[in-house]
Amino acid sequence: GAGVSQTPSNKVTEKGKYVELRCDPISGHTALYWYRQSLGQGPEFLIYFQGTGAADDSGLPNDRFFAVRPEGSVSTLKIQRTERGDSAVYLCASSLQDNYGYTFGSGTRLTVV
Amino acid sequence: QKEVEQNSGPLSVPEGAIASLNCTYSDRGSQSFFWYRQYSGKSPELIMSIYSNGDKEDGRFTAQLNKASQYVSLLIRDSQPSDSATYLCAAGVYSGGYQKVTFGTGTKLQVIP
Repeated sequence: GAGVSQTPSNKVTEKGKYVELRCDPISGHTALYWYRQSLGQGPEFLIYFQGTGAADDSGLPNDRFFAVRPEGSVSTLKIQRTERGDSAVYLCASSLQDNYGYTFGSGTRLTVV
Repeated sequence: QKEVEQNSGPLSVPEGAIASLNCTYSDRGSQSFFWYRQYSGKSPELIMSIYSNGDKEDGRFTAQLNKASQYVSLLIRDSQPSDSATYLCAAGVYSGGYQKVTFGTGTKLQVIP
């Protein structure tokens, strides 16, 4: 596609529920990143994919968070047993090569009530 | 100490003036530097990247890098009200075979008509 597409744009869920956030990167971009941004903060790194594999998942806060990219294109970020502290904007970005700047998607605003 | 530091602002400049945004980084291994613009409620948009010491100009924007001082800046000439946004500085470090990018918290710029 022309840009990075993220769905849903907004997600409200109850504490303890499971959520999935989807990212469709720019066609041909092999590098895909998930970041999380809280109000007044810069984006915080979560995970990086090169192709199908998670090359660096050191930013995932705990084992409730997991991400996959099974065919090297679309990625899904999965959060189990959501907590109110998980509320943030989840940003996906892709790049042609990992030393280039990123193109971000429009983000998913997650609210846990 | 944060890895990438920026003054949160707001920085207010009159229309037509030069806006100067500054950033320092702590990791001397950083090799790539980026400036992103983020409008309120929107995702970050890459506006400049710089990889070597000196100045890089693109239209009304000039990025400056001084690796010895671990300092990056962005100058916006002839500032317009449409430039009002938060500007995120980011630094990339090669670690584990790929470039990991860390963002600052951003500087809010207000251009007064």
